[in-house]
Amino acid sequence: GAVVSQHPSRVICKSGTSVKIECRSLDFQATTMFWYRQFPKQSLMLMATSNEGSKATYEQGVEKDKFLINHASLTLSTLTVTSAHPEDSSFYICSARGVAGSYNEQFFGPGTRLTVL
Amino acid sequence: QKEVEQNSGPLSVPEGAIASLNCTYSDRGSQSFFWYRQYSGKSPELIMFIYSNGDKEDGRFTAQLNKASQYVSLLIRDSQPSDSATYLCAVSSGSARQLTFGSGTQLTVLP
Repeated sequence: GAVVSQHPSRVICKSGTSVKIECRSLDFQATTMFWYRQFPKQSLMLMATSNEGSKATYEQGVEKDKFLINHASLTLSTLTVTSAHPEDSSFYICSARGVAGSYNEQFFGPGTRLTVL
Repeated sequence: QKEVEQNSGPLSVPEGAIASLNCTYSDRGSQSFFWYRQYSGKSPELIMFIYSNGDKEDGRFTAQLNKASQYVSLLIRDSQPSDSATYLCAVSSGSARQLTFGSGTQLTVLP
């Protein structure tokens, strides 16, 4: 149980294009999903927290107009990197947490490696 | 500013030995404490979580929590080369129970 998938696993794009990353909880309903970014040799940095049906809460320093998050259902959240630039190249990881009393811990997706040329 | 501190390592232990990983945190209101293992190029994998003071054992892993000292540790008994990875300490706090991660400790288990 507690499987979280991400798609795509790897994406290479040109500077200025937009990239959408999907995060799905496969066997449980995720009331809350989190998006993290990890640069090489660094730890995970929380970008934003999203609850199903409401606007995401962004961490300080994360541009909400650049990193668009949609949590349309209890099993799907998407992160869109708009007008991507080389400095946005990173490992993007989502996690999902279930309803109270079940899968209360965060379970992580396999990550998406974004390379912007 | 919530902070989670870990020794970055690298930590090397021989196969079969006990590996000891330590973590301190700054937010006294922290509620839950997690240890994740991350292999290179992969996402974190949950090993253990602990909520209450004391020890919690799961197989070869033991998590220890001391809220008064704001300290949490992970012991890995009978370490195996497959345990070689970066171990991330994470602390949950706030109404959204967001995780704040430490920088990770790189563990190498030598055959």
